[in-house]
Amino acid sequence: GNSVTQMEGPVTLSEEAFLTINCTYTATGYPSLFWYVQYPGEGLQLLLKATKADDKGSNKGFEATYRKETTSFHLEKGSVQVSDSAVYFCALGEIQGAQKLVFGQGTRLTINP
Amino acid sequence: DGGITQSPKYLFRKEGQNVTLSCEQNLNHDAMYWYRQDPGQGLRLIYYSQIVNDFQKGDIAEGYSVSREKKESFPLTVTSAQKNPTAFYLCASSVTGTAYGYTFGSGTRLTVV
Repeated sequence: GNSVTQMEGPVTLSEEAFLTINCTYTATGYPSLFWYVQYPGEGLQLLLKATKADDKGSNKGFEATYRKETTSFHLEKGSVQVSDSAVYFCALGEIQGAQKLVFGQGTRLTINP
Repeated sequence: DGGITQSPKYLFRKEGQNVTLSCEQNLNHDAMYWYRQDPGQGLRLIYYSQIVNDFQKGDIAEGYSVSREKKESFPLTVTSAQKNPTAFYLCASSVTGTAYGYTFGSGTRLTVV
């Protein structure tokens, strides 16, 4: 079945460091791919998405490119801030059947000043 | 503003009692979902509904029940049969079709004592 594998956390960086959180997926067909962010005690917010191969999603300085050849959707940011501290979830949208989202296990990111 | 409202934010119940979590959306979304999140873990799908008066079990439906009598509402009942109900519960909704992703509520933290 479809699945998403994320880089294990927690990840701790200093402010202004470069961020990469790896995400790879297994899917049949051509799913849509998403990154969500969750701040403490809150629900998930959509950060960015890509709906076809080679698309780049971007928002708030974060970027991710849909790479079909490597089945990856890695999240990157050039210079992180303390306010980026959160849990990040990669997800894919199933094409077949009930069209549910399948989520990775989440990566906790902490940015130190 | 359109969105999803979950209530209450915190809920305490005694062991053996049933409890119902509310989820209401005014986004005119067809599909609604319930997820459970445990500390340090990803999201696990409990139930989902793609149209009114129809719903399907997710990966961990045992001990839970739902109804979908109105498009806007998808309440979740945690029954006494759920062996470990203490968790953070998230409701989400979406337009049918996987390119759009989900909109999440802010969650309900249930503690059973």
